[in-house]
Amino acid sequence: QQPVQSPQAVILREGEDAVINCSSSKALYSVHWYRQKHGEAPVFLMILLKGGEQKGHEKISASFNEKKQQSSLYLTASQLSYSGTYFCGTVRSNDYKLSFGAGTTVTVRA
Amino acid sequence: EAGVAQSPRYKIIEKRQSVAFWCNPISGHATLYWYQQILGQGPKLLIQFQNNGVVDDSQLPKDRFSAERLKGVDSTLKIQPAKLEDSAVYLCASSQGTGNTEAFFGQGTRLTVV
Repeated sequence: QQPVQSPQAVILREGEDAVINCSSSKALYSVHWYRQKHGEAPVFLMILLKGGEQKGHEKISASFNEKKQQSSLYLTASQLSYSGTYFCGTVRSNDYKLSFGAGTTVTVRA
Repeated sequence: EAGVAQSPRYKIIEKRQSVAFWCNPISGHATLYWYQQILGQGPKLLIQFQNNGVVDDSQLPKDRFSAERLKGVDSTLKIQPAKLEDSAVYLCASSQGTGNTEAFFGQGTRLTVV
C-alpha cells in the first residue's frame, strides 16, 4: 500500500543536486511531498495531480509520471536548509487515502 | 490562521494502561488523518475521516485502538490497553479536500510506553 522511496539516504555538499524517487504499484490520483526536520512535524512542499504537471518550490521541483505511477523530487543547488527527511505521500485513485513512504534522509554539508 | 492543535505533547504510561489523544483540525477542513510515526520510519496511516465518516481504518489495530470524530470537527484517538510497541509519535493532520489539497500536520503527541 505504501509508496516505495529511493534512495534511503543521500549526503550532499552545498550546491550539489539530488533526485528522490517515489513509486506506487497502484493508480494514483495525486502525489504529495513533505519535508520533516528532527523533532518537528512534516511540512508540505508541493502536490502534483494527475496530468504529469511539474511543480516548483524555490529550487525544489517535482514531476509526476502518471503512466508509470512514479514521481521524482529534484533538489537543485542544495542549501544547508534542505537537510531533513523527505516523504512522498500518495493518494490512490480508488480510495483517496493518503499514505507515506519510508522517507529519504538528506544531509547537506558546507 | 490557527494550525492543527494536538494534546498532550508528551505522555508516558505503563503497559496495559489506557491513553487518549485529542486533535482539533483547522476550521473548515473536512478530512482528518491520524498517523503513527515510529522513530526512523514514515508516518503510518491509522485512520482517515471525511467529515463524520471513516474513509479508511484498515491499519488501525481495532482490538486496542479506537477513534472518533465528534460532529465532523475534533477527534480523539484512544489506546486501551497500551503495549510497548505503541511507543511512537501520533500525528494528526487535516486538509480541506481529499487528496487534492495539502495536509497540515499538528506537532504530534510523543507516547512512551514503559
